[in-house]
Order: sequence, then C-alpha cells, then structure tokens
Amino acid sequence: KQEVTQIPAALSVPEGENLVLNCSFTDSAIYNLQWFRQDPGKGLTSLLLIQSSQREQTSGRLNASLDKSSGRSTLYIAASQPGDSATYLCAVLADDKIIFGKGTRLHILP
Amino acid sequence: GAGVSQTPSNKVTEKGKYVELRCDPISGHTALYWYRQSLGQGPEFLIYFQGTGAADDSGLPNDRFFAVRPEGSVSTLKIQRTERGDSAVYLCASGYRGSYGYTFGSGTRLTVV
Repeated sequence: KQEVTQIPAALSVPEGENLVLNCSFTDSAIYNLQWFRQDPGKGLTSLLLIQSSQREQTSGRLNASLDKSSGRSTLYIAASQPGDSATYLCAVLADDKIIFGKGTRLHILP
Repeated sequence: GAGVSQTPSNKVTEKGKYVELRCDPISGHTALYWYRQSLGQGPEFLIYFQGTGAADDSGLPNDRFFAVRPEGSVSTLKIQRTERGDSAVYLCASGYRGSYGYTFGSGTRLTVV
C-alpha cells in the first residue's frame, strides 16, 4: 500500500531564507508527483507536477526534485516571503489514485 | 467553467439527515475524484470516476456514502444518515487520466451537529 510522508510537519523560518520541504513515498511505481499549496480554509492550488520520467521542475522561486528509485521528492523555496506561509502537500499518482501526505505547515516570519 | 466548482461551499446539517454535495468539473475532463480532508490531515481518497463509471470506490468509508456521475460531467456525493464524524472538507478534483495532473475545487465544508 502506497504511503506518503512529509517531514517536517511544521516549519517556521525568517523571511528571506531558502528552505527545503521533504516528501517520501513507499512504492516507487508512481505515474507522477504533484506539490500543492493550501491556504487555511481553502482548496488546493497546484504548484509543480513532475512526471515519473523527470527529475525536477521549476517555477519561479520554487524547484521540485524527484528521485523515484529512492522514493523521495523535495520542494525547494528560494528567498522565502511571508506570503509563502501555507500548508504544502505532496501527492503521488499511482494506480489511478492520488495519495497525499499530511502536509508541512510553513510559517514565514516577517 | 475555468475551474472545478463545488457547491455548496458550506453545509451545516443535523445528525441523521441526508446531504448531497455537488462537483462541476472542468469541461472535458474525463477523470473525477472525491476526497475528504479532516483538520490537520491530508486529503483522503474516497472515489474515482473515469467517465460515467466509478472506477474505484474503495475509499468510501461505509454504505452511507454514495456518488454518481450519470452523464460523465457533474458528480454528486451523497451521504445518508449523517454522523458527527462525517464533518470534514470534501474536495473534488478533475483531470485527464494520467499525464497532466489534477485541478481541485475549493471544497465543501460539511458540519454535522
């Protein structure tokens, strides 16, 4: 059974710092991996999608990497801003099912 | 529409009542998912439609939960005899099977009192 784990569960960093969020999954037979952002009381906003054949994707200050063989992905956020404060969710698509981690709650201190 | 629309955005119901939650996917998307998210948790899979048929309903917690997608577009999640433990945010997502990722709606916050 596919399980997705995100570490840390919560993170507070001063504005301007670079940071890394971690995601691991137990079964490497995935179709793709997607990182989402969720603001309190809101739905999910897709940030980056990495196909299983890809190693990384970049969008602005965000960079996501995928190491399928080791079951790991990282989301790198450069030059963090208070507006980056949210919960970040990692999800893998396998067997037509999207499996989510519990998320990392990120707080950027002004 | 431009995105996945879920209605209502909030629903408060009494224990034991029946509720229906609606999802309007992005036009043309063949795949549709329902998820349930409790406070502080990631979304949990409920059911997946490919077209009109439920391809995987293994996440439905019990027989009080049922979902339909009769014309391969709009989907309705139906909950009978609601219980306080059903209180959560119910999320819907649509996409094309496989490659392109999925778009989520803003969810319906269900509160059973």
